[in-house]
Amino acid sequence: QSALTQPASVSGSPGQSITISCTGTSSDVGGYDYVSWYRQHPGKAPKLMIYEVRNRPSGVSNRFSGSKSGNTASLTISGLQAEDEADYYCSSYTSSSTNYVFGTGTKVTVL
Amino acid sequence: QVQLQESGPGLVEPSETLSLTCAVSGGSVSSASYYYTWIRQPPRKGLEWIGHIFFRGSTNYNPSLKSRVTISADTSKNQFSLRLSSVTAADTAVYYCARIPVADLSFDYWGQGTLVTVSS
Repeated sequence: QSALTQPASVSGSPGQSITISCTGTSSDVGGYDYVSWYRQHPGKAPKLMIYEVRNRPSGVSNRFSGSKSGNTASLTISGLQAEDEADYYCSSYTSSSTNYVFGTGTKVTVL
Repeated sequence: QVQLQESGPGLVEPSETLSLTCAVSGGSVSSASYYYTWIRQPPRKGLEWIGHIFFRGSTNYNPSLKSRVTISADTSKNQFSLRLSSVTAADTAVYYCARIPVADLSFDYWGQGTLVTVSS
């Protein structure tokens, strides 16, 4: 099972919006709505930001939104803030014996 | 509030067995609503799912590690454990324990992670 494909880096200025893509296959992203997104600051554990493609856990800012089209899921961060500078990972359930697959990770830089 | 806390040796010799424990508070490892899982992250690399344990002790492992991994639970202590045998330098990583709700299959709560280095 290969990792889901994410861009290595995305950048934006404060206040702007950015979108991170996460491309998989019909066996994972395209086949299930069990796509989730995580933010990881350096030296810290990942934090759940989006689950089931578009749902936000309690306490997560509504500046974060998720969507999916075919085999590609996306995370959009609007009103970019300094605290959003971090690594972001997508994850999906997969019908393969791996059960869960993560994305390659995207480094978000706030200019 | 749900909290998970990893513990175990930070240094393991090659060919030996890595052993970690995750103590859970604010939830039960015997709940039928959650999987309890281990994930690892090699230095400067991405995340890799290792395996999980579920209600009444059923387990599922990443095929790439299956021959070397055992995940077990101690319900009396409300904790679960990871054993990874025959380790090499490639197993050096930060190891996280986490919880997966059965309803949405996300990783909703994570431990802070513990770095395990394989070296002699």
